[in-house]
Amino acid sequence: KQEVTQIPAALSVPEGENLVLNCSFTDSAIYNLQWFRQDPGKGLTSLLLIQSSQREQTSGRLNASLDKSSGRSTLYIAASQPGDSATYLCAVLWAGNMLTFGGGTRLMVKP
Amino acid sequence: DAGVIQSPRHEVTEMGQEVTLRCKPISGHDYLFWYRQTMMRGLELLIYFNNNVPIDDSGMPEDRFSAKMPNASFSTLKIQPSEPRDSAVYFCASRKAGPPYEQYFGPGTRLTVT
Repeated sequence: KQEVTQIPAALSVPEGENLVLNCSFTDSAIYNLQWFRQDPGKGLTSLLLIQSSQREQTSGRLNASLDKSSGRSTLYIAASQPGDSATYLCAVLWAGNMLTFGGGTRLMVKP
Repeated sequence: DAGVIQSPRHEVTEMGQEVTLRCKPISGHDYLFWYRQTMMRGLELLIYFNNNVPIDDSGMPEDRFSAKMPNASFSTLKIQPSEPRDSAVYFCASRKAGPPYEQYFGPGTRLTVT
């Protein structure tokens, strides 16, 4: 069964810290992997998409890496800020057009 | 581009009533997806369309749920009759047919059934 797991479910860090969010998936034959951000009561905002042939993508203070052989992706957030507080969701696209989501990591950055 | 548009943003209804949620995908996108998000089950795919044709509705919970896409710029998700356990946030998403297959989500409709 194709599954996506995110651990931990919640994370609290002080402002300024560099942090890593983890995502693991069970089948390495992926098309792509997307990281989303969701603020409370809001929709999903796409942060980064890594295609199967890529190893990493960067956007500002965010860097996402992909290791298909180990079934892992990480989202690195540099110099965290209180505005980064949100839930971060990892989603994998395998053959079949359907995204499979992890349970998310709820991040709190304390001033 | 306005992004994926959903209406209404909030819906409160009584058990037994019919509820219709609406979605306008991004222009030029060939795929449209309907998801449901709850605290207990997270994000679940309900149904998706390709070129207005339903492709996979295996996630639709039961016959009370139905979805249509009469044209490339409009889709509806209908619940009849609604039940309290249908209370959730319903998201619509769309994407193009080719790579990188990036999905774009709408703001969601928060449904409360009392």
